[in-house]
Amino acid sequence: QKEVEQNSGPLSVPEGAIASLNCTYSDRGSQSFFWYRQYSGKSPELIMSIYSNGDKEDGRFTAQLNKASQYVSLLIRDSQPSDSATYLCAVNDGTASKLTFGTGTRLQVTL
Amino acid sequence: DGGITQSPKYLFRKEGQNVTLSCEQNLNHDAMYWYRQDPGQGLRLIYYSQIVNDFQKGDIAEGYSVSREKKESFPLTVTSAQKNPTAFYLCASSARGRAKNIQYFGAGTRLSVL
Repeated sequence: QKEVEQNSGPLSVPEGAIASLNCTYSDRGSQSFFWYRQYSGKSPELIMSIYSNGDKEDGRFTAQLNKASQYVSLLIRDSQPSDSATYLCAVNDGTASKLTFGTGTRLQVTL
Repeated sequence: DGGITQSPKYLFRKEGQNVTLSCEQNLNHDAMYWYRQDPGQGLRLIYYSQIVNDFQKGDIAEGYSVSREKKESFPLTVTSAQKNPTAFYLCASSARGRAKNIQYFGAGTRLSVL
């Protein structure tokens, strides 16, 4: 059973701080990694995708991948109240188009 | 506008009734998926289809059925055999190629039991 683990939170950070969200996965053959943001009552929206080891930056968001340690993280710089949401980590093993999702980490950005 | 349209937004099912959730996409994506999300939980895969007239069971297919007669459409039927259907149902689609595994989601259908 392929597993994707996330701390459910809530992770509380003050406005303007860096939020760090982590995700570990069990399948060493995993090839593609994604972070989705889900506001309460809404559907997930893609924030970042990452395919190779290292960092990938997009605006205030940075995804970090370490395949040897089987973890992927998401950093949110200058956190804003509008970043308050649940962040879902998703992993694909490359052999099929299926994604395995973690249960999500709830982020709260406080004023 | 390109996107994924799910309807209805809210749906109520009576005891013993089958209900069908609609999912239509105009993104020209080959693959489509159905997920179920329970409160405080992640997404669980019900069924997926990578090509017209073909589909595979996901992790929780029991009590559900699908069809894929057109590339644009992937309806999900929640049958009376699904004893706990109350959940948020999400449809997604993805393209081929390097970006083939990026899945984009519709707005979802919230199903409740009367």
